[in-house]
Amino acid sequence: DSGVTQTPKHLITATGQRVTLRCSPRSGDLSVYWYQQSLDQGLQFLIQYYNGEERAKGNILERFSAQQFPDLHSELNLSSLELGDSALYFCASRRGGSGGATGELFFGEGSRLTVL
Amino acid sequence: AQSVTQLGSHVSVSEGALVLLRCNYSSSVPPYLFWYVQYPNQGLQLLLKYTTGATLVKGINGFEAEFKKSETSFHLTKPSAHMSDAAEYFCAVSDRQGSNYKLTFGKGTLLTVNP
Repeated sequence: DSGVTQTPKHLITATGQRVTLRCSPRSGDLSVYWYQQSLDQGLQFLIQYYNGEERAKGNILERFSAQQFPDLHSELNLSSLELGDSALYFCASRRGGSGGATGELFFGEGSRLTVL
Repeated sequence: AQSVTQLGSHVSVSEGALVLLRCNYSSSVPPYLFWYVQYPNQGLQLLLKYTTGATLVKGINGFEAEFKKSETSFHLTKPSAHMSDAAEYFCAVSDRQGSNYKLTFGKGTLLTVNP
């Protein structure tokens, strides 16, 4: 158990809909990362938050957005869903900041999104 | 920007045989390198990491990896495969920007272990 909790584990929805994925990081971790895993693209970095603020952006579509709340949990919002958005979405966390950090991430078990 | 190439999307070995999963990276700064394992329907779990110091690093479940700067490689090995090693393995490099980090992953290698 990594200590990172993601809900829901599975989600089936229709094209054009909107969904929200939720992530609770490990206790004490300030940084949250979102990754998308698909068969054709592999693991793609989407976005990172640190203590409530956006820190880095990757291959995140404009239809997608995220935020990190004061209690440090994060949500990934996916809207106007398309068939190609079907994937496993991972949240990961780390303590953040410098001071001996090595960058390793701790991953949740993922949310599997199926768009029909 | 950093990148990772994993040679072979699928590796099949017999139980008891040597496991060798290949990873090459590119990085403009001294890299931090990682191997993660993903079992079916689970998240990614850290196997081992290289930061600085000894270039041969040992991880969990009998795996080890050697950082070779001249070859820009970080191959993962295990002397004797076990059925429970069947999983997907990901090599990653840490992209450092100041005090901030993100991991760039390779496309993964699926390891099959045959009885």
